[in-house]
Amino acid sequence: GQNIDQPTEMTATEGAIVQINCTYQTSGFNGLFWYQQHAGEAPTFLSYNVLDGLEEKGRFSSFLSRSKGYSYLLLKELQMKDSASYLCAVMDSNYQLIWGAGTKLIIKP
Amino acid sequence: DVKVTQSSRYLVKRTGEKVFLECVQDMDHENMFWYRQDPGLGLRLIYFSYDVKMKEKGDIPEGYSVSREKKERFSLILESASTNQTSMYLCASRGTGVTDTQYFGPGTRLTVL
Repeated sequence: GQNIDQPTEMTATEGAIVQINCTYQTSGFNGLFWYQQHAGEAPTFLSYNVLDGLEEKGRFSSFLSRSKGYSYLLLKELQMKDSASYLCAVMDSNYQLIWGAGTKLIIKP
Repeated sequence: DVKVTQSSRYLVKRTGEKVFLECVQDMDHENMFWYRQDPGLGLRLIYFSYDVKMKEKGDIPEGYSVSREKKERFSLILESASTNQTSMYLCASRGTGVTDTQYFGPGTRLTVL
C-alpha cells in the first residue's frame, strides 16, 4: 500500500529552528510537495522537490532523499505566524497526490 | 492569482437531505478534485475530474457523486446525507503539468445532524 508518515505534533520556540520529517512509500514517485495550512483555512503551497537535495526559499527549506524515501521541511527564525499544520504529499506514478495526515506545529513565545 | 471558490463556508443539514457543494475555479484548469479532511486522517480524495463530463473515483467515493458540466465548475453531491459525512470538504484545481501545484478553495465545513 501507499503510506506517508509525519509526526502528529511538534512544539518549537519563537526565533528557533524546527525540522519536520516526512517518510513515504508510494507506487512510483513524481515529486514531493509541502503545504502549509492554518487552522480553518485551505492548504497553501510551500515547496516542490523532485531531485535529491536541498531547496531553499527564504526562511523555509525542503530536502529530499529519494533512495531513503525521506523528506524534511526546515523552518528557520520561527515566527508566531508559522503556527500551522504542515502537510507532506507525494505524487505517485498515476500523477495523483498521496497526502500525509499533517504535522501540527505549535510555536511558543 | 488562481482563485478557487466554494459555495458555502459553513453548512448544516439533516440526515437524509440531499446536499450540493459547488466549486468554481478561474484558471482554466483541466483537473479538479474533491477531498474531505478529518482530524488525524489527513486529506482523503473523494472524486476527481480531468475534463468536462469526466470523473474518476478517488479513495472514498461511497455516498458521494459529482458533476462537471462546465470546465470551471465541479460539484459534489451527497444524495442522502449521513452523520458520518460531517467533515471539512475541500475543492482543488490543478493544471496538467507534472510540477503544477494544486490550488485549494477555502473549504466547506459540513455538519449533518
